[in-house]
Amino acid sequence: DAGVTQSPTHLIKTRGQQVTLRCSPKSGHDTVSWYQQALGQGPQFIFQYYEEEERQRGNFPDRFSGHQFPNYSSELNVNALLLGDSALYLCASSLTQGLGEQYFGPGTRLTVT
Amino acid sequence: ILNVEQSPQSLHVQEGDSTNFTCSFPSSNFYALHWYRWETAKSPEALFVMTLNGDEKKKGRISATLNTKEGYSYLYIKGSQPEDSATYLCAVQTGANNLFFGTGTRLTVIP
Repeated sequence: DAGVTQSPTHLIKTRGQQVTLRCSPKSGHDTVSWYQQALGQGPQFIFQYYEEEERQRGNFPDRFSGHQFPNYSSELNVNALLLGDSALYLCASSLTQGLGEQYFGPGTRLTVT
Repeated sequence: ILNVEQSPQSLHVQEGDSTNFTCSFPSSNFYALHWYRWETAKSPEALFVMTLNGDEKKKGRISATLNTKEGYSYLYIKGSQPEDSATYLCAVQTGANNLFFGTGTRLTVIP
């Protein structure tokens, strides 16, 4: 049983470009959450998807958008990249029912130059 | 946004020592408290989820307690081993089902 997988592992982009990160949830999970971890900080909640809709959103600008597919996998898109978007992006999957314990992927390291 | 604080930020202990960390959080809108262990280059690994005041959980040499009335949780490691070296994150889950993380405690166990 595969856990949460994310791709790519590392990514380098230039300011102003757009990026798409991908996440496949743990088998059986229906909810995907995205987090940004900047250097020296804890993970910050970006948004959560359930039933292909954004269910909750953290304090991130509209440049951050996402999508969830019928197979529960998810994408995170960031437009008009800024240097400050450089961070580790973590995806976590969970079941809507129950405690909502979240299982994390290894993350995608995004560097914006 | 929920302010979750962890202390200390980092610590070094000798192999065999016992240690503990603190996670502090506002008591309002609390649903659950999660502890994660995060080793370098790996995914954060869930250790415990606690919901009720007075909850205690244990997994091997690691245990945790929860006080929701005063807004804190302790994580204890008994007889630290080098493989315990990692960053320990706590996160508060609100009724909205997303997690608010602290900045973590980085533990280094010296052989």
